[in-house]
Amino acid sequence: NAGVTQTPKFRVLKTGQSMTLLCAQDMNHEYMYWYRQDPGMGLRLIHYSVGEGTTAKGEVPDGYNVSRLKKQNFLLGLESAAPSQTSVYFCASSPSLAGAETQYFGPGTRLLVL
Amino acid sequence: KQEVTQIPAALSVPEGENLVLNCSFTDSAIYNLQWFRQDPGKGLTSLLLIQSSQREQTSGRLNASLDKSSGRSTLYIAASQPGDSATYLCAVLYGNNRLAFGKGNQVVVIP
Repeated sequence: NAGVTQTPKFRVLKTGQSMTLLCAQDMNHEYMYWYRQDPGMGLRLIHYSVGEGTTAKGEVPDGYNVSRLKKQNFLLGLESAAPSQTSVYFCASSPSLAGAETQYFGPGTRLLVL
Repeated sequence: KQEVTQIPAALSVPEGENLVLNCSFTDSAIYNLQWFRQDPGKGLTSLLLIQSSQREQTSGRLNASLDKSSGRSTLYIAASQPGDSATYLCAVLYGNNRLAFGKGNQVVVIP
C-alpha cells in the first residue's frame, strides 16, 4: 500500500515548455486534489476532483489543467510554463466529502521554471 | 473567504518545554480542523483531526483544542523533543470539501 505517489519528484522547465505531473493513489479514494505551496503563502488549492471523469477549479486554477480519466490517477498539466509557476506541488486524496476523514498527501513535486 | 492564521510564525524552545501553537480562522462554518506536520522537503502528515462537534483530540504528547465559536484552535505538545522540530500546519475543512491552510508554525526544539 503505497498511499499517494507523485511523479516526478523534481523538474526544471524553461518558460513556455509544457509538462504533466502525475498523482496516483491506491486507497480507492473518490476525491483527489492538487495544491501548490509557496513560501509565505501556505498551501493553495489548484484543482480538485470528486470522482472519475470530473474536475473542478480551486483557488488558483489559472495556467493549469487537470484530468481524472481513471479513479486512481489525477494529472496536472502546465501547457506553457511561467516562472510564477515555480513551486512545490502536492497531490492529496480523501475517501469522502463527509469531513470525517483527513486528506492524505503525496511527497510533493518541486518545479523550477526558468 | 475562509482565512487561517497561525501565530507565531516561528519559535524555538529548549528540549523538555511544552509547545503551544495557535491557529485562528475567520469563518466558523467548518466541518473539521486538522493539524499537520511537515518536515523539510517532505509532504504533510496528519497529526490530529477535530470534528466541528468536538472540543479536543489527544494523541500521545499532542493535544489539540477547538473553540469553533471564537474561531480558534491550539496545539499543545508536551515535553518537547528535538524530533518535534518541524513546521506545523493548521487547516480547516469548509464549503465543498475544501481545506484552507495557515502558513504554519516553524518549530525548533533545542537539545
